[in-house]
Amino acid sequence: GESVGLHLPTLSVQEGDNSIINCAYSNSASDYFIWYKQESGKGPQFIIDIRSNMDKRQGQRVTVLLNKTVKHLSLQIAATQPGDSAVYFCAESVGAGNMLTFGGGTRLMVKP
Amino acid sequence: DAGVTQSPTHLIKTRGQQVTLRCSPKSGHDTVSWYQQALGQGPQFIFQYYEEEERQRGNFPDRFSGHQFPNYSSELNVNALLLGDSALYLCASSFGQGTEKLFFGSGTQLSVL
Repeated sequence: GESVGLHLPTLSVQEGDNSIINCAYSNSASDYFIWYKQESGKGPQFIIDIRSNMDKRQGQRVTVLLNKTVKHLSLQIAATQPGDSAVYFCAESVGAGNMLTFGGGTRLMVKP
Repeated sequence: DAGVTQSPTHLIKTRGQQVTLRCSPKSGHDTVSWYQQALGQGPQFIFQYYEEEERQRGNFPDRFSGHQFPNYSSELNVNALLLGDSALYLCASSFGQGTEKLFFGSGTQLSVL
């Protein structure tokens, strides 16, 4: 059964469409940011990270955008697939050696 | 190459009891962090162990304690369990105290009745 994801904001997209998941972070001193994917019954899985000296970073089918002015982070997933259905968390830290502070998460549901 | 492994996967305790959770880090990693994830929320940092010492601690009471062994594995102990301690406890490992690309285990689901 579900171990995470209850009462979370939900984004529902059609298979093949692009998805954009947003995150507002709180600490203006944060300089390292990570996106994690968490499927039911599993721990968070690393997707992509970005440092504060960058405003965009691309991976395979994923792009992270960072807007430090408004303390906003977004994750873009291209050509969303059913396997992308999960809860997505952004996390921030002050210095990559410090503890991560996680956001509240967004559930992504992909309709076939 | 084994990832982060945690045991047990599920545990049921009653209020006032004590519990010990175990974690083996990913091969090549020497730092272990513990996180608590309540239902429907993001993980919250409990503490981090490096070179067998607690290096950083989040906002958790002294009832939460830990240990790291010479082989880098770690234990999380919680005393005097409260109903509110029911959560998924996640272990994460990294190399050299870094949070970059922190690797998480699947967690231990603790239920306190």
